[in-house]
Amino acid sequence: DAGVIQSPRHEVTEMGQEVTLRCKPISGHNSLFWYRQTMMRGLELLIYFNNNVPIDDSGMPEDRFSAKMPNASFSTLKIQPSEPRDSAVYFCASSRDSIFTGELFFGEGSRLTVL
Amino acid sequence: AQSVTQLDSHVSVSEGTPVLLRCNYSSSYSPSLFWYVQHPNKGLQLLLKYTSAATLVKGINGFEAEFKKSETSFHLTKPSAHMSDAAEYFCVVSDTSGTYKYIFGTGTRLKVLA
Repeated sequence: DAGVIQSPRHEVTEMGQEVTLRCKPISGHNSLFWYRQTMMRGLELLIYFNNNVPIDDSGMPEDRFSAKMPNASFSTLKIQPSEPRDSAVYFCASSRDSIFTGELFFGEGSRLTVL
Repeated sequence: AQSVTQLDSHVSVSEGTPVLLRCNYSSSYSPSLFWYVQHPNKGLQLLLKYTSAATLVKGINGFEAEFKKSETSFHLTKPSAHMSDAAEYFCVVSDTSGTYKYIFGTGTRLKVLA
């Protein structure tokens, strides 16, 4: 069974460019999470979807960040315009349940470098 | 509000010696507690979880953790460290009291010395 699939694994871009990160959750999972990991701030929850609906986006840093989940098998996280401080590893995770007692399955992450 | 504190940011042990990674939590409700491991350049992987069943929880790769309500602790242990255990470990508490979040600790980096 395939795990959570993220693309691209690595992205290097210049300040001001648009960045789109993609995630395919595990089939049958109805919760999807986007996290950002940096040395300074650790793991931060950006946004949480349940049944494709954004439930909690309080962690999205600012209007430059947006996330969508058009269907149960695909989600995107977009940064426009990107800034050097957005450099981080972005993780997507999915879960079978929506009551926060289940396991989170993480993708391998997308490492973003903004020059 | 629920919170989780990992008491050590770095732990070093020799191969073959016991591992103890400490985690304390605060919770107004019966929490769900998890330990995840992250190897370099990888995503996080579940080691074990506690969800109000047995207080001693066994996980993968020989790890276990004991839920102690009186001490609000959920420490991770392993009797004998292996070189492959070198990684970062995260203690996580599930907040189901209203905000519905997984709350991650700041992580403990485990170094295993040959």
